[in-house]
Amino acid sequence: DVKVTQSSRYLVKRTGEKVFLECVQDMDHENMFWYRQDPGLGLRLIYFSYDVKMKEKGDIPEGYSVSREKKERFSLILESASTNQTSMYLCASSLLRLASEQYFGPGTRLTVT
Amino acid sequence: DQQVKQNSPSLSVQEGRISILNCDYTNSMFDYFLWYKKYPAEGPTFLISISSIKDKNEDGRFTVFLNKSAKHLSLHIVPSQPGDSAVYFCAASAHAGANSKLTFGKGITLSVRP
Repeated sequence: DVKVTQSSRYLVKRTGEKVFLECVQDMDHENMFWYRQDPGLGLRLIYFSYDVKMKEKGDIPEGYSVSREKKERFSLILESASTNQTSMYLCASSLLRLASEQYFGPGTRLTVT
Repeated sequence: DQQVKQNSPSLSVQEGRISILNCDYTNSMFDYFLWYKKYPAEGPTFLISISSIKDKNEDGRFTVFLNKSAKHLSLHIVPSQPGDSAVYFCAASAHAGANSKLTFGKGITLSVRP
């Protein structure tokens, strides 16, 4: 079974703090993704990576950066958290470059106060 | 511009009856479609997929139908069970692209009444 884990289920941070969200997958998948889910907006892609040290912007990259130093780990960074970044953050991975089925982690509920 | 549309935000059905969840898309490059199911406080889980070379794919109680000319797909759940109550996301990708990026709809909340 594919397992995607996220470092925290719930996180509360203050405005202006630097926030790190970690994601680890254990199935040697090439691709990793970060989404945010908001009511009425569905899942929106923030960043994705198809190889170590490679990253590509998704649909809403503003205010975020990512890091992929190892194949199994993909980090999402909020350089200076703002209240509009309060959301559910979901990490996913997929096996091959052109494979579409993605496996999701349980999500991190981030609240920025 | 929303490329994958799930226009009905919610659906309520009686246990044992059929649930039909609809999805429309606008990008003609999409050639692979997936449905995900999401419970509260959990990540989405893959349910069923269909390639554009097919018009139907079945897996147990779940069947996905694809109408390419109408750019429309639907997920049928028969019979519906209370455990099916969840948010369902439709997603699409273009395999001709260089990566496996998915575009998701906004989701439909299905409630199955006992």
